[in-house]
Amino acid sequence: QKEVEQDPGPLSVPEGAIVSLNCTYSNSAFQYFMWYRQYSRKGPELLMYTYSSGNKEDGRFTAQVDKSSKYISLFIRDSQPSDSATYLCAMSIGLGNQFYFGTGTSLTVIP
Amino acid sequence: GAVVSQHPSWVICKSGTSVKIECRSLDFQATTMFWYRQFPKQSLMLMATSNEGSKATYEQGVEKDKFLINHASLTLSTLTVTSAHPEDSSFYICSARDSGNDGYTFGSGTRLTVV
Repeated sequence: QKEVEQDPGPLSVPEGAIVSLNCTYSNSAFQYFMWYRQYSRKGPELLMYTYSSGNKEDGRFTAQVDKSSKYISLFIRDSQPSDSATYLCAMSIGLGNQFYFGTGTSLTVIP
Repeated sequence: GAVVSQHPSWVICKSGTSVKIECRSLDFQATTMFWYRQFPKQSLMLMATSNEGSKATYEQGVEKDKFLINHASLTLSTLTVTSAHPEDSSFYICSARDSGNDGYTFGSGTRLTVV
């Protein structure tokens, strides 16, 4: 069983839609949860960072962590064509420990 | 914010030659840097953890004699792919963490093609 599971998509939505991206994990010791956005042929860039359970909002992006279900989500409101990218979830026991990545979900926002 | 510079962004080399990839933290000191490998439509796979002034820690299945890592200063780590073969063609990405920031910052990646 993989440490982190993520539906690779692809996911296509019209501009303005709400996008929901999800990951599940198996290791209950994970405490740090991150979402990265990766454009083609580029390195990942950090979008959101959450410690333990709860929600975190940053502009059009909201990250949720449900540790009881071992499930994390990233919501994108009012999606834009510029949001088209691959979104990777990542998690770790501690910031000094190895991060485990999902396979990434490919998102296309259609104008 | 923290910036990690990675060079080159792409490289094509002949089979049997060696290629060096550099990863620099531009505005912070990184005692630890990480090297990942990413195949198309797959996740990032950690290859090794690079520690300043000491030997790198390699993940299981990664040949340390093939992927040489040097972390000689607090701002520079290098990955050298020795005697490259076509199966080494991949996207290599480094990352580092600025202790003053949340999360890890990634370099822009290096697309290696071995012909």
